[in-house]
Amino acid sequence: AQKITQTQPGMFVQEKEAVTLDCTYDTSDQSYGLFWYKQPSSGEMIFLIYQGSYDEQNATEGRYSLNFQKARKSANLVISASQLGDSAMYFCAMRLNAGGTSYGKLTFGQGTILTVHP
Amino acid sequence: EAGVAQSPRYKIIEKRQSVAFWCNPISGHATLYWYQQILGQGPKLLIQFQNNGVVDDSQLPKDRFSAERLKGVDSTLKIQPAKLEDSAVYLCASSLVSYTEQFFGPGTRLTVL
Repeated sequence: AQKITQTQPGMFVQEKEAVTLDCTYDTSDQSYGLFWYKQPSSGEMIFLIYQGSYDEQNATEGRYSLNFQKARKSANLVISASQLGDSAMYFCAMRLNAGGTSYGKLTFGQGTILTVHP
Repeated sequence: EAGVAQSPRYKIIEKRQSVAFWCNPISGHATLYWYQQILGQGPKLLIQFQNNGVVDDSQLPKDRFSAERLKGVDSTLKIQPAKLEDSAVYLCASSLVSYTEQFFGPGTRLTVL
């Protein structure tokens, strides 16, 4: 079974500073994908970034980058130049990329609440 | 392109009552998911459909929850009878196929009193 662990219930950051949100995962499968989603107070889940287990380069999407360390089974999200609008809940999630009944479904962590201070 | 639609957005019921939620996925998306998100937790998959067939319902409490996806498009999730612990946000998501990006709807917030 897959497991995602986010150990930071809450994080605070000053506007314009960078922040790292931690995520570790556990799986015995070799082919998987790691996702980060943002969930504002309005409730919708907004996809931020994706990293495949075979991708050699760390994924980047604008101000978001994913620090993927496969040997440590970690997939930390780095947000550069934080903005007030970044205040939200952030979820790390995993999906198996090949075969079996777990194919397709996302397994989520507990989430980290990020608060950006002016 | 229209997103995933869900209704109602909010529902308050008393325990032992029944409730149903509706989801309309993005047009052409073959895979549809229902997730349950209890306050303070990450979403948990309840059921996954591929077209109108069930792929995974291992975490669906089948004694009280049921779901269907008629004609491989819209889906309904029903709870009968509801318990206090069913209070949660129910998220519907869809993807073109099972290994592509999932797009989430706005969710239905259920409160069971």
